[in-house]
Amino acid sequence: DIQMTQSPSSLSASVGDSVTITCQASHDISNYLNWYQQKPGKAPNLLIYHASSLHIGVPSRFSGSGSGTDFTFTITNLQPEDFATYYCQQYDDHLITFGQGTRLDIK
Amino acid sequence: QFQLVQSGPEVQKPGSSVRVSCSTSGGTFSSYTFNWVRQAPGQGLEWMGRIIPILGTSNYAQKFQGRVTFTADKSTNTAYMEVTSLTSEDTAVFYCARSLGSAHFLDYWGQGTLVTVSS
Repeated sequence: DIQMTQSPSSLSASVGDSVTITCQASHDISNYLNWYQQKPGKAPNLLIYHASSLHIGVPSRFSGSGSGTDFTFTITNLQPEDFATYYCQQYDDHLITFGQGTRLDIK
Repeated sequence: QFQLVQSGPEVQKPGSSVRVSCSTSGGTFSSYTFNWVRQAPGQGLEWMGRIIPILGTSNYAQKFQGRVTFTADKSTNTAYMEVTSLTSEDTAVFYCARSLGSAHFLDYWGQGTLVTVSS
């Protein structure tokens, strides 16, 4: 089975900062990599699909890049509503795996 | 506006079974794939598997194979997940989430159903 390594597991930042989260797959998954945001007590929301495509209604301060095994997710100009947990998700051989999650806190 | 609405919270005893429903509104049920995701308290997301109603097929993550069953009722636009032989480790929020056709991303999610396993 494919392994996903997401890092860091947590980070602290201030409003207006930029942050980057990485996900590494154990083998080539092309661009089958997606990113979600989850707030406490709520279902996850899709932000980025196909590694770099912005889902409908998602602000442009969110972005993703990468292909193959290495992927990055960036939020620029952090807003108060962005403090949440973020997950990467890969698709390989009909199976889905989530990364371990990154908790983004206010510094 | 497309929506997924799940059934309410459940409290079950160890060794019993639970069935969670996921009903759709505002869309074409047979066009979708329904994924199920488990989230234990304070933990991350864990994909359990999917059902494709139009094909009548399901895929299960290895961890859940044999203990979890997905079904779908096209007449009521509702997908179901049943978990048998519950243990305290099954205490979690279960989400249904939609994907379109062969798409690999989950674009709409239900609100989640908390299942508590306790004697």
